Amino acid sequence: SQQGEEDPQALSIQEGENATMNCSYKTSINNLQWYRQNSGRGLVHLILIRSNEREKHSGRLRVTLDTSKKSSSLLITASRAADTASYFCATGGNDYKLSFGAGTTVTVRA
Amino acid sequence: DAGVIQSPRHEVTEMGQEVTLRCKPISGHDYLFWYRQTMMRGLELLIYFNNNVPIDDSGMPEDRFSAKMPNASFSTLKIQPSEPRDSAVYFCASRAALGGGTNTDTQYFGPGTRLTVL
Repeated sequence: SQQGEEDPQALSIQEGENATMNCSYKTSINNLQWYRQNSGRGLVHLILIRSNEREKHSGRLRVTLDTSKKSSSLLITASRAADTASYFCATGGNDYKLSFGAGTTVTVRA
Repeated sequence: DAGVIQSPRHEVTEMGQEVTLRCKPISGHDYLFWYRQTMMRGLELLIYFNNNVPIDDSGMPEDRFSAKMPNASFSTLKIQPSEPRDSAVYFCASRAALGGGTNTDTQYFGPGTRLTVL
């Protein structure tokens, strides 16, 4: 079953703009991860944030986590055409499983 | 490191035929996961193994699905008999064991097998 729900389902932006997508989940978590999937490819891990962390950065990526609201956001700054992909949040508990959301499809226009 | 390897990349078969999907995890990873991705249901976990032992197969949809991991470097997912509703992309992923010194919560995905059952 899907734990995370991403919002929006789809996002279209101009190259150079920032892209923000959100993830909400229902149950308590150990960590929350974001993955990227290019068309026809497997998922690639982007960033992980643990339940006791509030914000994390990796290059042009910034992730926030609000456990009181059971939500997370992923910000991609200065987007590039190569950022065009689907982005998934995944919640991890203590059972080594990940539960994925339905994803946000991001299109970066040149 | 070659990453997670899956074969075949594409499989087209007819309803009723047996299908076998294969996966080679990253060397040294102790956990292996099989997922199915469809437009309707998204990414679903089917089964996962730890040290070659199936831990949770609650996501396996029916008895027609079975998975094995005979050794640390090989796993199979078999569908017999296949049905058109089994058409999906099947992913294999692996992760390191606890204390592996790396980000052990990260899963590394293979490129997937696109299965079409006619």
